[in-house]
Amino acid sequence: AQTVTQSQPEMSVQEAETVTLSCTYDTSESDYYLFWYKQPPSRQMILVIRQEAYKQQNATENRFSVNFQKAAKSFSLKISDSQLGDAAMYFCAYRRGETSGSRLTFGEGTQLTVNP
Amino acid sequence: DGGITQSPKYLFRKEGQNVTLSCEQNLNHDAMYWYRQDPGQGLRLIYYSQIVNDFQKGDIAEGYSVSREKKESFPLTVTSAQKNPTAFYLCAAGDRAYSPLHFGNGTRLTVT
Repeated sequence: AQTVTQSQPEMSVQEAETVTLSCTYDTSESDYYLFWYKQPPSRQMILVIRQEAYKQQNATENRFSVNFQKAAKSFSLKISDSQLGDAAMYFCAYRRGETSGSRLTFGEGTQLTVNP
Repeated sequence: DGGITQSPKYLFRKEGQNVTLSCEQNLNHDAMYWYRQDPGQGLRLIYYSQIVNDFQKGDIAEGYSVSREKKESFPLTVTSAQKNPTAFYLCAAGDRAYSPLHFGNGTRLTVT
């Protein structure tokens, strides 16, 4: 079974600074997708960024980027120029590369605090 | 607007009673999912359905039941057999593996 591990239960960053959230996963599959979701206090799940395992290039979405190390099974999220609105719980997630309906497996989450 | 609707937002029940959480989607996705979230923890998969009239157990299915009679609907019943039902429940829908899941706003269930 696939597992996703986030070893940092809590992180904090100063506004405008950069922070990196860690995620490792375990799988024997070669075709899969990785995601970072954000859950603010409203508890709505919001997609932050997505990475295809077959792509070597790291995904980037504005201030959010990932460092995808396939051999090490590592998928960290870097938030640049942190803003107060970035404060949330962040979840790393894994999904097998089936055509449809595959389950999404989540890590335990990292609670990010942004200090003004 | 397309999306996933969970109702109600807050639900209170007495211990020993079954309760059904509603999840409806108008995104035309084949697959639907139920997750449970406890304070400070990640999301754990309860049940999922890849197609109408079919569903599979997730990691914590004991004490729960589901049905999938229509593509749009995937209700979750929390039975009296569930030892610790108080939690936040999230419903999601999606299709292709490369597509992110779309989530509802959740239902907070409190059993006393």
